[in-house]
Amino acid sequence: SQQGEEDPQALSIQEGENATMNCSYKTSINNLQWYRQNSGRGLVHLILIRSNEREKHSGRLRVTLDTSKKSSSLLITASRAADTASYFCATLTDYKLSFGAGTTVTVRA
Amino acid sequence: GAVVSQHPSRVICKSGTSVKIECRSLDFQATTMFWYRQFPKQSLMLMATSNEGSKATYEQGVEKDKFLINHASLTLSTLTVTSAHPEDSSFYICSARGLAGATGYDTQYFGPGTRLTVL
Repeated sequence: SQQGEEDPQALSIQEGENATMNCSYKTSINNLQWYRQNSGRGLVHLILIRSNEREKHSGRLRVTLDTSKKSSSLLITASRAADTASYFCATLTDYKLSFGAGTTVTVRA
Repeated sequence: GAVVSQHPSRVICKSGTSVKIECRSLDFQATTMFWYRQFPKQSLMLMATSNEGSKATYEQGVEKDKFLINHASLTLSTLTVTSAHPEDSSFYICSARGLAGATGYDTQYFGPGTRLTVL
């Protein structure tokens, strides 16, 4: 079942700019994960943040989690053309992953 | 990182035929495997969860007699779409979860997906 809403649905930015997308969810979670999907391809796991964590970094990625607001954000800094993809948040509850609707990011060269 | 493969990557079949999709964890033992379907420009919807050696658990609205899942070993799960119809055309993605070195139990690894087109 689909748990989360993502915002915005689509994002177009210039190479070098930052991209920020948000995810909201409804139920309590064990952790929240972000994935990337290139068109017609499988999912690539980007980063996992546990429910007791507030912020996490991995390379050019920064994820925040606010469990009181049931929301998370993903920031991609210094975007590159290769970052063009769809990004999904997914919440883990009772060993099941539920995916948000996704944000399609287009990075213009 | 952990690798999950799917075969075939693309299949076209006639209406009424059955199609089998394989999902393999290549470098770890998958205690649990998941099957998702994704329609164009939409999110992934969980279809079923399977644990090795036991019957799959299907999500509400998913017909278990139509989507047969067999998780025969710790490295292989299969999804068979029986009597396929054009509305079954979709992108099917499997994922596997299991201990894989330092990756941890609660991370799922996804296969590359199988594009099914039913004519």
